[in-house]
Amino acid sequence: AQSVTQPDIHITVSEGASLELRCNYSYGATPYLFWYVQSPGQGLQLLLKYFSGDTLVQGIKGFEAEFKRSQSSFNLRKPSVHWSDAAEYFCAVRSGGSYIPTFGRGTSLIVHP
Amino acid sequence: DADVTQTPRNRITKTGKRIMLECSQTKGHDRMYWYRQDPGLGLQLIYYSFDVKDINKGEISDGYSVSRQAQAKFSLSLESAIPNQTALYFCATSERGGADTQYFGPGTRLTVL
Repeated sequence: AQSVTQPDIHITVSEGASLELRCNYSYGATPYLFWYVQSPGQGLQLLLKYFSGDTLVQGIKGFEAEFKRSQSSFNLRKPSVHWSDAAEYFCAVRSGGSYIPTFGRGTSLIVHP
Repeated sequence: DADVTQTPRNRITKTGKRIMLECSQTKGHDRMYWYRQDPGLGLQLIYYSFDVKDINKGEISDGYSVSRQAQAKFSLSLESAIPNQTALYFCATSERGGADTQYFGPGTRLTVL
């Protein structure tokens, strides 16, 4: 069965600092991987996704993520965080044989001025 | 106009009451989903539907039912609401085939007293 772990419940960074949010998945074959962002009072929005090919994926809002098969990870990064990036971030995984993604528990990003 | 809409956005009800949450989409997607979000637990799948005649239980379907009235409409019902069903509820859609990126509505905050 597929599963996702986001080890960090909360992350606090200063505006302008770099950011890395961790995501580890459990699935035997190459999974489909996603990062979603939930801003306060809103639904989830897709930031980026990985299916195959280049393991470094670019997304919206200046985010990127790198798929590392050897570490079963798909960490989200941003070189310089803006105050508007404060939100909840969810990693999700879907196996090739299932149409239903499994979501992690989320990481809450707090941005200090 | 939003592609995925949910009504109501907020609802307070009493234990034992029947309540319906509605979801409509203009994306033309075949697949629709209902999720529940509780703080620290991420998203849990309640029900999903891959077309009008297809309804499937998710991981936490007990106490809930759904109706797929049309391709564009997917309703979630709580037949007899209980306090531990207090949560944020999201509807989502995805396109048949491909990556199955999910598109979320803004959510309905339900409080059961």
